[in-house]
Amino acid sequence: NAGVTQTPKFRVLKTGQSMTLLCAQDMNHEYMYWYRQDPGMGLRLIHYSVGEGTTAKGEVPDGYNVSRLKKQNFLLGLESAAPSQTSVYFCASWGGMSSYNEQFFGPGTRLTVL
Amino acid sequence: SQKIEQNSEALNIQEGKTATLTCNYTNYSPAYLQWYRQDPGRGPVFLLLIRENEKEKRKERLKVTFDTTLKQSLFHITASQPADSATYLCALDRSGYSTLTFGKGTMLLVSP
Repeated sequence: NAGVTQTPKFRVLKTGQSMTLLCAQDMNHEYMYWYRQDPGMGLRLIHYSVGEGTTAKGEVPDGYNVSRLKKQNFLLGLESAAPSQTSVYFCASWGGMSSYNEQFFGPGTRLTVL
Repeated sequence: SQKIEQNSEALNIQEGKTATLTCNYTNYSPAYLQWYRQDPGRGPVFLLLIRENEKEKRKERLKVTFDTTLKQSLFHITASQPADSATYLCALDRSGYSTLTFGKGTMLLVSP
């Protein structure tokens, strides 16, 4: 089991460029999440999904879009990157209340927007 | 607004001592609280979960307490080791869908 994987690990964008971050999990989890982590701030929830084909907004959704076309994948898109989106992005998955309740996190994607 | 506070300053202790980290929250009635460990350049790793009807939970050298009256959780590492040096995050579930709200974390440094 690879757990939760994220692609890419690092990326540098110019302001206004677009990109997609890919998250994949092989644990058959229903729930998936995207968080961002900035210095001096806790992890903040961007968007989440409670199942294939569903998405919902988290605490800081502006400037991001997501899609969950397949159960194992959760994509985070930036349509027009801004310097304020420079951050480390973490994807996570959760098996639901029948599991132990822990979330499994990926290794992160470090994004810099110039 | 909802707030989670953890010790902002790093906690420095000597090997073998007990480390105690604090998590305080306001404007919440969480069903459960979680603790994660995060090493530099890595994603958080789950350590322990405690439910609102539980006072204490243990796992090996780790112990978590949860006081819903004080709105506080304490996280203890007994017989600490240099390998325990990391940032420890407290998290609460806002929605029941495990949409976690995290504290900023406390860095623990255990010196030999």
